[in-house]
Amino acid sequence: EAQVTQNPRYLITVTGKKLTVTCSQNMNHEYMSWYRQDPGLGLRQIYYSMNVEVTDKGDVPEGYKVSRKEKRNFPLILESPSPNQTSLYFCASSLGLGQGTEAFFGQGTRLTVV
Amino acid sequence: RKEVEQDPGPFNVPEGATVAFNCTYSNSASQSFFWYRQDCRKEPKLLMSVYSSGNEDGRFTAQLNRASQYISLLIRDSKLSDSATYLCVVNKGTALIFGKGTTLSVSS
Repeated sequence: EAQVTQNPRYLITVTGKKLTVTCSQNMNHEYMSWYRQDPGLGLRQIYYSMNVEVTDKGDVPEGYKVSRKEKRNFPLILESPSPNQTSLYFCASSLGLGQGTEAFFGQGTRLTVV
Repeated sequence: RKEVEQDPGPFNVPEGATVAFNCTYSNSASQSFFWYRQDCRKEPKLLMSVYSSGNEDGRFTAQLNRASQYISLLIRDSKLSDSATYLCVVNKGTALIFGKGTTLSVSS
């Protein structure tokens, strides 16, 4: 089954404790990205990757890191989480961004930083 | 002007109604357009791509007006299961830009 898998689904952590949210896709997609979704702000892109070893900042990259060592994996790293990073996070992958290409999303990670 | 703007709603309609959502985008160079559906706090899923010639998928019709930078989604014969948030999405080259979504609630 084609899918994007994120883990964990739910996480409560304390300020400053490093964490990683994993994302894996089994569709051989080149393009992957991370979004956060907050009430009243919609989905905002954090980082994206056009291919292995190619990553770039989205609209809200501060406080986050990513890596793309393999095509299928695109982990999101919070080196020192803060309460303003409490949010719902989605990983997405697609063949590209052009007409007719579908972005597949993971089920989301609900992160709370206290 | 925001990159992608939608009327947030909510739209509350009875079953069987026809409802239309509108969306405007600011980047005239955008090349691809989509409508996604998101159920409460779940992941967004593609509803349909939007083509210049307009396209239809069952009860759903999408239209694109490049001159006005305007996208629409028409839902005919609304079902209870259509209740969701509908996201207008535009490709800006390196990213998909999402509108904040329009909430639809269909009641019996």
